[in-house]
Amino acid sequence: AQSVTQLDSQVPVFEEAPVELRCNYSSSVSVYLFWYVQYPNQGLQLLLKYLSGSTLVESINGFEAEFNKSQTSFHLRKPSVHISDTAEYFCAAALYNFNKFYFGSGTKLNVKP
Amino acid sequence: EAGVVQSPRYKIIEKKQPVAFWCNPISGHNTLYWYRQNLGQGPELLIRYENEEAVDDSQLPKDRFSAERLKGVDSTLKIQPAELGDSAVYLCASSGLQWNYGYTFGSGTRLTVV
Repeated sequence: AQSVTQLDSQVPVFEEAPVELRCNYSSSVSVYLFWYVQYPNQGLQLLLKYLSGSTLVESINGFEAEFNKSQTSFHLRKPSVHISDTAEYFCAAALYNFNKFYFGSGTKLNVKP
Repeated sequence: EAGVVQSPRYKIIEKKQPVAFWCNPISGHNTLYWYRQNLGQGPELLIRYENEEAVDDSQLPKDRFSAERLKGVDSTLKIQPAELGDSAVYLCASSGLQWNYGYTFGSGTRLTVV
């Protein structure tokens, strides 16, 4: 079965510092990969996705993620975080052509001033 | 566009009582999902509808959970009777034909069973 592992449950970081949130998936077949963000008491919002093509994908607010097939990873990065980036981030995977998302357990990003 | 609308936002009930959650998906989205998110965990799929048909309910505890999507639009998820372990956030999501572009989630219903 498909599984998604987020290695860090919490990541504290100071404002304007870089951050990387790690995500690994288990699959021997092609997958679609996603990052969602969840602010307190809100639903999940799609941050970015990898479907095919360029392995580096970007969001409108400065996050980027790189698909690495050999390491089965899809780590999320931002070169300089803001206080407003404080939220929980979920990585998700879906098998190619099969509509079922598998979510990781989430990483809480806490940006300190 | 209103987004995916869920109600209520919060619900506290005693164990063994029934409870129902309602979801209105984005207009035109034919696929609707119910997810359960336990504290400190990622969402897990309970059921997926394609229009009126439940096409994946393998993770739905059918002894106490039921769901319906009449007319292929709104959906209701019911628990009867509720147990303490059902305390969680219940998320509804919807997607169009290109589901691989991502789901749109509602704000969820936080259920507390006491």
